[in-house]
Amino acid sequence: QMQLVQSGAEVKKTGSSVKISCKASGYSLTYRYLHWVRQAPGQTLEWMGWITPFNGNTYYAQKLQDRLTITRDRSMRAAYMELSSLRSEDTAIYYCASSYSSSSGWFDPWGQGTLVTVSS
Amino acid sequence: EIVLTQSPGTLSLSPGERATLSCRASQSLSSNYLAWYQQKPGQAPRLLIYDASTRATGIPDRFSGIGSGTDFTLTITRLEPDDFAVYYCQQYGNSLSYTFGQGTNLEIK
Repeated sequence: QMQLVQSGAEVKKTGSSVKISCKASGYSLTYRYLHWVRQAPGQTLEWMGWITPFNGNTYYAQKLQDRLTITRDRSMRAAYMELSSLRSEDTAIYYCASSYSSSSGWFDPWGQGTLVTVSS
Repeated sequence: EIVLTQSPGTLSLSPGERATLSCRASQSLSSNYLAWYQQKPGQAPRLLIYDASTRATGIPDRFSGIGSGTDFTLTITRLEPDDFAVYYCQQYGNSLSYTFGQGTNLEIK
């Protein structure tokens, strides 16, 4: 059974950075896309970016591209999302999710989510 | 960016009834690249439907999707207590930018 397991909750100061991990269980991410999606409290879902673990190619949402870095490890069983220059509005649950490709872009499975709280 | 508008914002129904949720795109979606998700409090979204009408693995046939171009519908027949949740549509027609609707809250009447 394919599963994505994320690292635990984080509390960060304004202006700092956060790095969250997403590990695949039961399968390899090699030939799938790994996306990051966030959800601010009471809000809808916001797609952030993707990585192709096979070659490390990335693509980021325009509004985040100056602060977002998505990476993967060489085993292609884990991916990471780092967001810098944190602001209070970055407080959200961050999810990783997988798709078959960029065009077959429905997300399944999803990680369990990681709460990031940003405060001064 | 493609904007998805879901209606209604809240839908109040009773178990056993039929739910009809709408999702309208600001521009036509190529190849009907639209998905539907169910999200319960404290949980990650769960994929229900992709490519507008294909049920994901394990999703009962009470859930069905239809639509093309800019107008899409998710129908849930014979509502069960476990179906009451928030439902989101998502477009992936532009593979360099994915967007979600604002959600429909399906609540028990």
